[in-house]
Amino acid sequence: DAGVTQSPTHLIKTRGQQVTLRCSPKSGHDTVSWYQQALGQGPQFIFQYYEEEERQRGNFPDRFSGHQFPNYSSELNVNALLLGDSALYLCASSLGYRTYNEQFFGPGTRLTVL
Amino acid sequence: GENVEQHPSTLSVQEGDSAVIKCTYSDSASNYFPWYKQELGKRPQLIIDIRSNVGEKKDQRIAVTLNKTAKHFSLHITETQPEDSAVYFCAEPSGGTYKYIFGTGTRLKVLA
Repeated sequence: DAGVTQSPTHLIKTRGQQVTLRCSPKSGHDTVSWYQQALGQGPQFIFQYYEEEERQRGNFPDRFSGHQFPNYSSELNVNALLLGDSALYLCASSLGYRTYNEQFFGPGTRLTVL
Repeated sequence: GENVEQHPSTLSVQEGDSAVIKCTYSDSASNYFPWYKQELGKRPQLIIDIRSNVGEKKDQRIAVTLNKTAKHFSLHITETQPEDSAVYFCAEPSGGTYKYIFGTGTRLKVLA
């Protein structure tokens, strides 16, 4: 049983570009959350997807958008990249919406914006 | 409000000693409190969690206590081992929602 997987592992972009990160949840999970983790900081909640809809959103601008597919996998898109977007982007999956079930994190995508 | 304070930011203990990390939250509606361990270069992993209807939960050398009146919860690690060295994060769902707010982390070093 594969856990949460993310791709790519690393990514280098320049300011103003757009990026798409991908996440496949743990088998049997239907809810995907995305987090941004700057160096030396705790993860910051970006948004959560369930049944292909954004259900919760953190304090991130609308340059950050996402999508969930019928197979529960998810994408995070960031437009007009800024230097400050450089971070580790973590995806976490869980079972069910509006429940406090354990979140399983993926290995993350390290994004560097030059 | 969305705020979780975590202390200390770094903690060094001798192998075999105990370590305690404390988090304070601001919203009384919060009712679920997980703790995550993140080793260098790896993903966060849940190590223990507690719900607001209990005051303490223990799993071998790890325990979590919750004081709802004071709005704080603590992670206790006993008989620390070198492999306990990592960054530990507390988290809470903001205002009873399902948006997890993480603490700033505690870097624990267990000295052999």
